[in-house]
Amino acid sequence: EADIYQTPRYLVIGTGKKITLECSQTMGHDKMYWYQQDPGMELHLIHYSYGVNSTEKGDLSSESTVSRIRTEHFPLTLESARPSHTSQYLCASSESIGLAGLLSYNEQFFGPGTRLTVL
Amino acid sequence: TQLLEQSPQFLSIQEGENLTVYCNSSSVFSSLQWYRQEPGEGPVLLVTVVTGGEVKKLKRLTFQFGDARKDSSLHITAAQPGDTGLYLCAGGRNSGGYQKVTFGTGTKLQVIP
Repeated sequence: EADIYQTPRYLVIGTGKKITLECSQTMGHDKMYWYQQDPGMELHLIHYSYGVNSTEKGDLSSESTVSRIRTEHFPLTLESARPSHTSQYLCASSESIGLAGLLSYNEQFFGPGTRLTVL
Repeated sequence: TQLLEQSPQFLSIQEGENLTVYCNSSSVFSSLQWYRQEPGEGPVLLVTVVTGGEVKKLKRLTFQFGDARKDSSLHITAAQPGDTGLYLCAGGRNSGGYQKVTFGTGTKLQVIP
């Protein structure tokens, strides 16, 4: 069973507040990800990291920022929350599984998500 | 441009019926995963397929990777209410020494008792 945790699970805040969504994993995975998902819809990658001090923006533009100071910790910060930021935020980590030759694949393990509502 | 299209988008069936969910792309993937997500939770990995034509079975679930590694299907036999959820496929491609994963559009399944 995957050991990846997100806090808080639910957050309701007012416009303009600064928030940090926490994500931690105890599996020692190098790769970590943040996704944004509206209920029952597809996942949109907003940030990813391939290791400590490595962060990249994903396919979906986001006003949030991330940091990766420790392998196990990948927090996401919104400096000034707006109603348009209301969504579910999912954190994931993965390990590479080698195949023959140079090929490999990743299996992602997801946290339970944070449901953010900005009023 | 969405690289991975899933069909159908929504599916509501009676308990005991069979169903197939499709995941299609014009791109070739080196691996293909299927996840199931229940409301309020994160997706949970069901299976990974890596070889063209590969078939994997997980109890009542059968997963197939297309011969050209551009598409995949998930077949559920005798669906049960516990199968209800959002099913997501995810294709992996090697890019610049890393593997880039793209998630599909999702299929929301409801199994009615």
